[in-house]
Amino acid sequence: DVKVTQSSRYLVKRTGEKVFLECVQDMDHENMFWYRQDPGLGLRLIYFSYDVKMKEKGDIPEGYSVSREKKERFSLILESASTNQTSMYLCASMLRTGFYTEAFFGQGTRLTVV
Amino acid sequence: AQKITQTQPGMFVQEKEAVTLDCTYDTSDQSYGLFWYKQPSSGEMIFLIYQGSYDEQNATEGRYSLNFQKARKSANLVISASQLGDSAMYFCAMREVGYGGATNKLIFGTGTLLAVQP
Repeated sequence: DVKVTQSSRYLVKRTGEKVFLECVQDMDHENMFWYRQDPGLGLRLIYFSYDVKMKEKGDIPEGYSVSREKKERFSLILESASTNQTSMYLCASMLRTGFYTEAFFGQGTRLTVV
Repeated sequence: AQKITQTQPGMFVQEKEAVTLDCTYDTSDQSYGLFWYKQPSSGEMIFLIYQGSYDEQNATEGRYSLNFQKARKSANLVISASQLGDSAMYFCAMREVGYGGATNKLIFGTGTLLAVQP
């Protein structure tokens, strides 16, 4: 059974804190993605990675950074959390090649910044 | 730049009727893929169906079919015989395909909330 696991389901942090959201997949997928989901805005791509130590900016990278030191783990970092980063964060992984491949998602982390 | 547009924020459908959820996309690439995902109130993302840009036949998976009109850049999801359990948020997504079929990017639309009425 394929699995993408996010380290926390709910997280509450203070403004200005450094926040780490962790995502681990057990499917040996090359591609991993971080999205934030907000009502009316859908899923917006923050960053993605197609290999260890490789990263690409998505559509809304400002205020975020990522780390991929191992193939199975992709971390999203909020260097100095702000209230406008309160959101649901979703991690996904996907095979890099293959035309008929789907993305698998974690359960999501609901982050509240106060 | 690539973009996915879902113009229906919410829809109602009667149980047992068919419903079409709209999705249009914008890309200058010749090779790409289109997905539909379902997100029930529990929050999990469930893969429904996939269509490749070179597929000549419309994709079908059980009660789900994808009405792919390449010239119009649309990839509408059709759900036949709606069930109460179909009530959920539905997202259209597109993957950018690079050299050798590699997925470079995966972007989503804003979603459509479907409510199935008994």
